[in-house]
Parts: sequence; C-alpha cells; structure tokens
Amino acid sequence: KAGVTQTPRYLIKTRGQQVTLSCSPISGHRSVSWYQQTPGQGLQFLFEYFSETQRNKGNFPGRFSGRQFSNSRSEMNVSTLELGDSALYLCASTKPGQGGNEQFFGPGTRLTVL
Amino acid sequence: KQEVTQIPAALSVPEGENLVLNCSFTDSAIYNLQWFRQDPGKGLTSLLLIQSSQREQTSGRLNASLDKSSGRSTLYIAASQPGDSATYLCAVKEGYGGATNKLIFGTGTLLAVQP
Repeated sequence: KAGVTQTPRYLIKTRGQQVTLSCSPISGHRSVSWYQQTPGQGLQFLFEYFSETQRNKGNFPGRFSGRQFSNSRSEMNVSTLELGDSALYLCASTKPGQGGNEQFFGPGTRLTVL
Repeated sequence: KQEVTQIPAALSVPEGENLVLNCSFTDSAIYNLQWFRQDPGKGLTSLLLIQSSQREQTSGRLNASLDKSSGRSTLYIAASQPGDSATYLCAVKEGYGGATNKLIFGTGTLLAVQP
C-alpha cells in the first residue's frame, strides 16, 4: 500500500515569490492535514481538509492557503514568500471513521527562501 | 490552550540499555496520543497510537503508556539499538473527536544510542 507522497521534495525560492506544494494521501484517506516544521517553533498545524472542505485552520497568516480535490489530493500555496517561511512542510492523511485513527505522514517538502 | 512538553530534550545511552521518554500535556481532554519518530530531514513515522480509553500499547520493543488524569505518557524502548537513534515526538489529538484531526506536537526528544 503506497504511503503519503509529497512533491516536490525540495524547493528553493526567493522572497516575494509564491509556491505550491502537493500532497497525495493514502488511498481511501479523505482527511489531509498540513504542518510546518522549523527548528525554532517545532511542528505547527497549518490546516486540515476533509472532503474538499477546510475543516480546521491554524494560526498562520492569510498568505498560507490550501485546497483539496475530489480525489483527496491536496495542495498548499504560500504567496509573497518571506525568509521565515523556510521550513519542512509535512502533510498527513487520516482514514475517516470513528475517532482515534492513526495519522500517516509524508516525507515532506523542504522549502528554502533566499 | 493545550501544551505538550517532552523531557528530556536529548538523551544519549549505550546500546542495549532500556530507556523511557516522557511526554506531558496540560489539558487531559484528549482524544488520543500518538508517538512518532523522525530521522534527520525526513518525515514522521508513526510508532504507536493510544486511544484516550487505553492505558498502554505495545509494538515489538516499544511500549507506550497513557495516564490522562495526570497528563502524562511514556514511551519505553527495550534493549536499545543504534538504529533507534532519531528524534521522538509525541502528539495529542484534542477531545472533540471526529471534528478535526489536528495534532498538537511536543518539542521532541533527540535520542542517540551509542554502539
């Protein structure tokens, strides 16, 4: 069974540019969550999508946005990049159903903003 | 606001030693708690998931316990091996159940097992 995949694995951008990251969840999983990981702040929740709807959102500026498609694949977009956006961006997929389901993470996209 | 803390921040042990990693959370109204390991520059690998109604879970040399009332979880690793070297993270899913899958992560414990 294929795991969570994320593309691209590495990105280098300059300040002011925008970027789009992609996440394909495990087959049958309809919930996709995004996290930002930095050395200073650790892992922080960005947002969660379920059945193409944003179900929850973390405390990030509006430059961070996302969406989910009918096949459960999700994208996140960061506009007007800042140096502080350099981070490892991780997505996780969860099988829907009664709560307590295990979450599975992808390998991440390493974004460097110069 | 839920806060998750892990102690110690770093740990170095000789191969073969049994060890315990600690995770504490401030709000006991959690739905579940999950332990992960992360190798440098990599994603997270799920180790164990403990439901709020459970006291412990075991997988191979790993055993995780949960005490909701005291806001604590421990990850016990038996007979540690150099391959266990990684950062270990605990994360809680808050008590609203199926409404969201948001996880709140601890700060992690960096484990080094010396051969």
